[in-house]
Amino acid sequence: AQSVTQPDARVTVSEGASLQLRCKYSYSATPYLFWYVQYPRQGLQMLLKYYSGDPVVQGVNGFEAEFSKSDSSFHLRKASVHWSDSAVYFCASRTGNTRKLIFGLGTTLQVQP
Amino acid sequence: NAGVIQTPRHKVTGKGQEATLWCEPISGHSAVFWYRQTIVQGLEFLTYFRNQAPIDDSGMPKERFSAQMPNQSHSTLKIQSTQPQDSAVYLCASSLLGGDEQYFGPGTRLTVL
Repeated sequence: AQSVTQPDARVTVSEGASLQLRCKYSYSATPYLFWYVQYPRQGLQMLLKYYSGDPVVQGVNGFEAEFSKSDSSFHLRKASVHWSDSAVYFCASRTGNTRKLIFGLGTTLQVQP
Repeated sequence: NAGVIQTPRHKVTGKGQEATLWCEPISGHSAVFWYRQTIVQGLEFLTYFRNQAPIDDSGMPKERFSAQMPNQSHSTLKIQSTQPQDSAVYLCASSLLGGDEQYFGPGTRLTVL
């Protein structure tokens, strides 16, 4: 069965530091992969998506993610975080024949000033 | 663009009562999704409509839960005989037909006492 794992429930970084949020997927074929962010009292917003091609995909607000088939991973990165990046980040996947998203449990990012 | 609208934002019911949650998708979006979010289970897919027709209800509990989309401007999720374990945030999302980005509403927080 398809699944998504985010091994870190909480990550704390200092403002200006680089960031990596980890995501591992489990599926026999390459799924469609997404990162969503949930700010307090707001709906989830998509940051970026990956289908195929260049394994590094760019998203909004300076975020990027790298797909690795050998590692079954889709880690999210940012070179320099801002305090406003504090939020909950969800990795999600879907297969080609369905639109439903399978989400990881999320990683809470706290950016310290 | 008002985004996906969900009403009410908060609902408190007594055990055994019925709860109806409303979702208004973004105008022009033909796909509507329902998810449930809890601390323990995270984000779980419930059901999905395309052009008002039910496409996938694989995540819906077999009893007490039902969803409808009587017209293109709203969908409802009804929970009969609510139980404390139904307490969660229920999220509605919509997307363009064939589109990959799901736009989420702020959710309805259901509390069953």
